[in-house]
Amino acid sequence: GENVEQHPSTLSVQEGDSAVIKCTYSDSASNYFPWYKQELGKGPQLIIDIRSNVGEKKDQRIAVTLNKTAKHFSLHITETQPEDSAVYFCAADSNYQLIWGAGTKLIIKP
Amino acid sequence: NAGVTQTPKFQVLKTGQSMTLQCAQDMNHNSMYWYRQDPGMGLRLIYYSASEGTTDKGEVPNGYNVSRLNKREFSLRLESAAPSQTSVYFCASSEVQGNTEAFFGQGTRLTVV
Repeated sequence: GENVEQHPSTLSVQEGDSAVIKCTYSDSASNYFPWYKQELGKGPQLIIDIRSNVGEKKDQRIAVTLNKTAKHFSLHITETQPEDSAVYFCAADSNYQLIWGAGTKLIIKP
Repeated sequence: NAGVTQTPKFQVLKTGQSMTLQCAQDMNHNSMYWYRQDPGMGLRLIYYSASEGTTDKGEVPNGYNVSRLNKREFSLRLESAAPSQTSVYFCASSEVQGNTEAFFGQGTRLTVV
């Protein structure tokens, strides 16, 4: 079955710097790769997603890149702000289900 | 719009007790899901309902049962709670199964002592 690995588990960056979180997946049939943000005490919320017919997608300060050949995708956050502090999850679809990475705790240092 | 509503938000059970977690969505979504979230393990799918009238096992179904009561409501039952079921439980819904945005409830923090 699908396996999604996410790195790093914790990432600490200075406010204003960029943050990059990486995920790899194993199922070559996966076509949908969302990223979710979870704030403390809340459920995860979709921030951006990408499908396999696209290599990169941007939405203001966040971007996702996908390399289907290497089976990895990454989340990029530029000009980080305090409100970016949260846990971020990647996921990949497999047999109509989402398989989730273990999460990355992003800490923005003032 | 309330989105996905879960009740209760917190619960403490004794080993062997039973309880039902309730979930309702008001987005007219076809698919609904129950996940558990444990530290360092991401989200693991317990059961899902691709559409009204159907339910299927996910990755970790043992010790749980579900009911898709109607299109809006999807409940999760623990028949005989065990300490290993201490976790945060999330209900989610999506328009269709799998490759569309999932909307999550606020979660239920369950402790089994």
